[in-house]
This record gives sequence, C-alpha cells and structure tokens, in this order.
Amino acid sequence: GENVEQHPSTLSVQEGDSAVIKCTYSDSASNYFPWYKQELGKGPQLIIDIRSNVGEKKDQRIAVTLNKTAKHFSLHITETQPEDSAVYFCAARPVDSGTYKYIFGTGTRLKVLA
Amino acid sequence: GAGVSQSPSNKVTEKGKDVELRCDPISGHTALYWYRQSLGQGLEFLIYFQGNSAPDKSGLPSDRFSAERTGGSVSTLTIQRTQQEDSAVYLCASSFRGGSDTIYFGEGSWLTVV
Repeated sequence: GENVEQHPSTLSVQEGDSAVIKCTYSDSASNYFPWYKQELGKGPQLIIDIRSNVGEKKDQRIAVTLNKTAKHFSLHITETQPEDSAVYFCAARPVDSGTYKYIFGTGTRLKVLA
Repeated sequence: GAGVSQSPSNKVTEKGKDVELRCDPISGHTALYWYRQSLGQGLEFLIYFQGNSAPDKSGLPSDRFSAERTGGSVSTLTIQRTQQEDSAVYLCASSFRGGSDTIYFGEGSWLTVV
C-alpha cells in the first residue's frame, strides 16, 4: 500500500524567511496530494493541494511542487509570519479498488520565530 | 451544518469501559472518514464510508474498534474495553463523494483512557 514520508519533523525559521517541507510517496498511482495545517487543539485544515497532472501550484505565500518521476512533493512558504506556526501534514491519495483513503505523513512542526 | 461536527470534544474514561464517538458530516457529503492521531503523531487511517458501499475497515487496529454510519449521514465510532493505548484524538472527515479531492476535518474527539 501507499506510504508517505515527511521531513523534517520540526522546523524553526526566522520571521520573513522561507520554509520548505518535503514528502515522498511510494504508490505511483496516487494522483492527488493535499497539504493540511493543524493549529493546536484544532482539526487539520486544507491549505493547498496539487493533482498529478500539474507540476506546481501557488497561492499567495504558499506553493506546492510535485515531481512524479521522483515521487516527491514539497510545500514552500515564503515570507513566513508567526501565524504560520503550526503542524503541517502532507497526504497522498492512492486509487485502490475504488476506495479513497488518504495516507498522511507524520507531520512537521513549524515554528516561526519573531 | 457548516462543518463536520464531532462529539464529545473531550472524553475521559476508565480502562475497560466502552466509548462511543459521534461524527456529523457536512450536509450532502457522501464520503466519511475516521482517523486517529496519537500525541505528536501523524494521522492514522481507521475506516472509510462511501454511500451505500461496504466500508473500508482496513485501518481498524483491532476487533475492539467498530464503526457504523446510519442513513448515510451520522457515524459512530465505538471502542470496546478501552485500553490506555487507545488514548488519542479521533478525527472525522467528510467529502462530497469518494474520490472528491477535498476532505474536511472536524475538531476531533480527545479520548483519554485512565
């Protein structure tokens, strides 16, 4: 089955700097890759996603890149702000026998230092 | 409703007791997911419901765990004879349909087994 690895587990950056979180997946049939942000005591919220037919997607300060050949995708946050501090999860959605369970990475705790 | 609603938000139970966790998905969403998040860990898939199809129960960790979805809407996750290792946040999510890209999470039910 699908396996998603996420690095780093923790990341500290100075306010205004960029942050990059990387994920790799194992199932080449996976076709959708969302990123979720989870603040303390809250459920995960979708922040950006990318489909397998696209190499890059950007939404203001957030971008995601996908390399299908290498089976890895990355989240890029530019001009980081204290409110970006949270746990970020990547996920891959394999298509297997008609079910659509999302496989999540183990999360990255991002701290933006003011 | 406006979002995925879960209850209770917090539950403390004694080891050996049974617990029920409830999820009310977004109105009109046919796909429903349960995930478990242990302290500081990633999101572990438990079970997936899609319409009237047989659920994908491949993530349930033991036969003490079961879930049902009545009328294609509300779902209940039941843990029998709870153990301390069951302590975690149980997250419910829903999507418009299976294979629909975006899944929306509730705030979670924090379960503590003492």
